[in-house]
Amino acid sequence: ETGVTQTPRHLVMGMTNKKSLKCEQHLGHNAMYWYKQSAKKPLELMFVYNFKEQTENNSVPSRFSPECPNSSHLFLHLHTLQPEDSALYLCASSRLGTSGGAGELFFGEGSRLTVL
Amino acid sequence: AQSVTQLGSHVSVSEGALVLLRCNYSSSVPPYLFWYVQYPNQGLQLLLKYTSAATLVKGINGFEAEFKKSETSFHLTKPSAHMRDAAEYFCAVSEGSSASKIIFGSGTRLSIRP
Repeated sequence: ETGVTQTPRHLVMGMTNKKSLKCEQHLGHNAMYWYKQSAKKPLELMFVYNFKEQTENNSVPSRFSPECPNSSHLFLHLHTLQPEDSALYLCASSRLGTSGGAGELFFGEGSRLTVL
Repeated sequence: AQSVTQLGSHVSVSEGALVLLRCNYSSSVPPYLFWYVQYPNQGLQLLLKYTSAATLVKGINGFEAEFKKSETSFHLTKPSAHMRDAAEYFCAVSEGSSASKIIFGSGTRLSIRP
């Protein structure tokens, strides 16, 4: 069992569909993240949740709606997406409050989204 | 403000040759520095990190990186490349201990020639 699990691994949707991406971490971490990875662009941080509370939203369009019901689960709800939203969406988790060092990120394998 | 630059979007070396992936950073405070690797169809995995202890950091799979403050560099090296090292490598910098402050470089794709 991997530490961070993402489902589905692949998703194809039309611009009028509504779908959701799911992320679950089994590492006992208390922070979770959504990143967008597009071809030839740096990894983009989308949302950060600390102890289930959203602490960062990096100007993400409202057609992306995150949900964090508890420290182990994170969702990304998708609706009326555009073709340019096609990308690999990566979930990550980390442990907060660790003294003496940086909180490293643990990533899932990603959900490959294609918007037609 | 912090930033990170990876020189060379694609590096190709022969199997058994030295691997050198370049990373330069900009930070207003002593930084935390990371190298992550991404194999095809997978997420990112931490290779190694620098957190102000030893300047030469050893990571997994035989990789190491050296923090050079005077050059603001954190280059990744491996003495002898293996076919399984073919992947995308990302350098990252953070000015704080919070992982949400990590900034990633654009990545360098490493190819290994037989």
